Amino acid sequence: GDSVTQMEGPVTLSEEAFLTINCTYTATGYPSLFWYVQYPGEGLQLLLKATKADDKGSNKGFEATYRKETTSFHLEKGSVQVSDSAVYFCALSDTGSSNTGKLIFGQGTTLQVKP
Amino acid sequence: DGGITQSPKYLFRKEGQNVTLSCEQNLNHDAMYWYRQDPGQGLRLIYYSQIVNDFQKGDIAEGYSVSREKKESFPLTVTSAQKNPTAFYLCASRMDRGISGANVLTFGAGSRLTVL
Repeated sequence: GDSVTQMEGPVTLSEEAFLTINCTYTATGYPSLFWYVQYPGEGLQLLLKATKADDKGSNKGFEATYRKETTSFHLEKGSVQVSDSAVYFCALSDTGSSNTGKLIFGQGTTLQVKP
Repeated sequence: DGGITQSPKYLFRKEGQNVTLSCEQNLNHDAMYWYRQDPGQGLRLIYYSQIVNDFQKGDIAEGYSVSREKKESFPLTVTSAQKNPTAFYLCASRMDRGISGANVLTFGAGSRLTVL
């Protein structure tokens, strides 16, 4: 079945460092891809999304490009801040005829940014 | 403001008791979902509902039950049959398919259940 694999954390960076969190997926169709962020004790918030190959999603300085050839959707940010400390989830959504909207999540990557 | 309200935020129960987690949305979304989150794991789908009075099992439905009597409400009952119920439970909703951006889920703040 469809699946998502993220790099294991925690990822610890100093403020203003460059961030990459790797995400690869396996899917039979043409899924939409998402990054969600979860701050401590809260639910998930959509960070960005891409619905087709070569699309680039971006938000709040984060970006990710839908790479069909490598089945990847890596999250990047040029300069992280302490406030970016959170858990980041990569996810894919079924876009088949049933279109249930179910999301399949990776295991999450914890990011810790130190001042 | 539109959103999803989950209650209670924290819940403690003794082993063998059924508990019901509330999920209410005022977004006029058609579909609703329940996910379970365990430490170091991703989210796993318990149940989902695309329309009132209809719902389907997700990947880990055993030991859980749901109802969808109203569009805005999708309560989850954790029964005594659930062998390891201690977890963080997240409710989400989505506008019906066919609308631009329809695959985006909006999440509530979650309910943390601890079974003693």
